[in-house]
Amino acid sequence: GAVVSQHPSWVICKSGTSVKIECRSLDFQATTMFWYRQFPKQSLMLMATSNEGSKATYEQGVEKDKFLINHASLTLSTLTVTSAHPEDSSFYICSARQFPVASGGLYNEQFFGPGTRLTVL
Amino acid sequence: DAKTTQPPSMDCAEGRAANLPCNHSTISGNEYVYWYRQIHSQGPQYIIHGLKNNETNEMASLIITEDRKSSTLILPHATLRDTAVYYCIVRVAQGAQKLVFGQGTRLTINP
Repeated sequence: GAVVSQHPSWVICKSGTSVKIECRSLDFQATTMFWYRQFPKQSLMLMATSNEGSKATYEQGVEKDKFLINHASLTLSTLTVTSAHPEDSSFYICSARQFPVASGGLYNEQFFGPGTRLTVL
Repeated sequence: DAKTTQPPSMDCAEGRAANLPCNHSTISGNEYVYWYRQIHSQGPQYIIHGLKNNETNEMASLIITEDRKSSTLILPHATLRDTAVYYCIVRVAQGAQKLVFGQGTRLTINP
């Protein structure tokens, strides 16, 4: 159980176009999903926290108008990179937290998707 | 969330136990120790977590010192597939929920 998928697994796009990445929890409901970005040889950097039915909370320095997040259901969150540029090329990873929340157990745990590699030409 | 310190890299021979240390000297009483790993070009994988007692599951064992200022992740019989970056994270179980990743330890299992 606790499988998270991402689509697409990789994408190449031209500079100036927008790209949408989907994150799905396949066998559980996720009230909260997280979006991370990882540049080569670096650690994961949290971009935003996505809560079902409400606006995402962005980390400091992340442009909310550039990285649009929608969490329309308990199993799906999307990240849209708008007007992508080469510096947006990165590995984007989502994670989902299982619902309902229990104290200290795996039900509080985050499960990660396989990641989406974005290359902007 | 408390900061953690891990060695940047380690090597281990295949079949041997891999012991990965983590220092978290500023950990609070309600913070758990979590371990994740990331195999190259994949999403992180949860390994184990604990509060103050030692924990064991099918993947690994977690040994937390009595003062909780450090811990060790043990992979009892490392295989080549255990080559990955291992992240030690401390955080409260509830509340903000977000995971803050440090640089982790790059573990290389050698044949």
